[in-house]
Amino acid sequence: GESVGLHLPTLSVQEGDNSIINCAYSNSASDYFIWYKQESGKGPQFIIDIRSNMDKRQGQRVTVLLNKTVKHLSLQIAATQPGDSAVYFCAETVQGAQKLVFGQGTRLTINP
Amino acid sequence: NAGVTQTPKFRVLKTGQSMTLLCAQDMNHEYMYWYRQDPGMGLRLIHYSVGEGTTAKGEVPDGYNVSRLKKQNFLLGLESAAPSQTSVYFCATRRGGKTQYFGPGTRLLVL
Repeated sequence: GESVGLHLPTLSVQEGDNSIINCAYSNSASDYFIWYKQESGKGPQFIIDIRSNMDKRQGQRVTVLLNKTVKHLSLQIAATQPGDSAVYFCAETVQGAQKLVFGQGTRLTINP
Repeated sequence: NAGVTQTPKFRVLKTGQSMTLLCAQDMNHEYMYWYRQDPGMGLRLIHYSVGEGTTAKGEVPDGYNVSRLKKQNFLLGLESAAPSQTSVYFCATRRGGKTQYFGPGTRLLVL
């Protein structure tokens, strides 16, 4: 079946460094991708999204890259801060679908 | 504007008891979703609704029922709770786009 997964379940970075969280997807028909951030005890929070007709999209301190050739999605966080500590999920969907397919998540921890 | 709210925040049930989780939204979104989140399992879709009066099954619907009698509310019912239903339950909504907005969650413990 189709699935969305993550290469690394945990990631530790030094405060101030850049973080890169990866996600692999297998449904070549997926045309929309979202990154969510979930802090401890809270619901997932939308970070950034990207459509399949784009390779890159930038937000405030975050960049999402999409490589359709290898079905790979990444979230880059610049100058990682303690407040970035959370679990990050990628999600995908296809045109016309009512549902999102979520990956299992990557936990990002920040070392002082 | 409260966004998406969930009631209750935490509940303990005994096996066989029933309960209803309430999701309420004030954003006038058409679509509403119920997920459960277990450690290491990510988010799994239980049921969803594409509009008032409609419901559909998701990935893990067994043991749950839902109702969407009003556009702003989406109810998730457990008729006979089982320990396997111990989880954190999240409601989400969306308008016409793809992005879903989540509530704060309900922690349920079934003993």
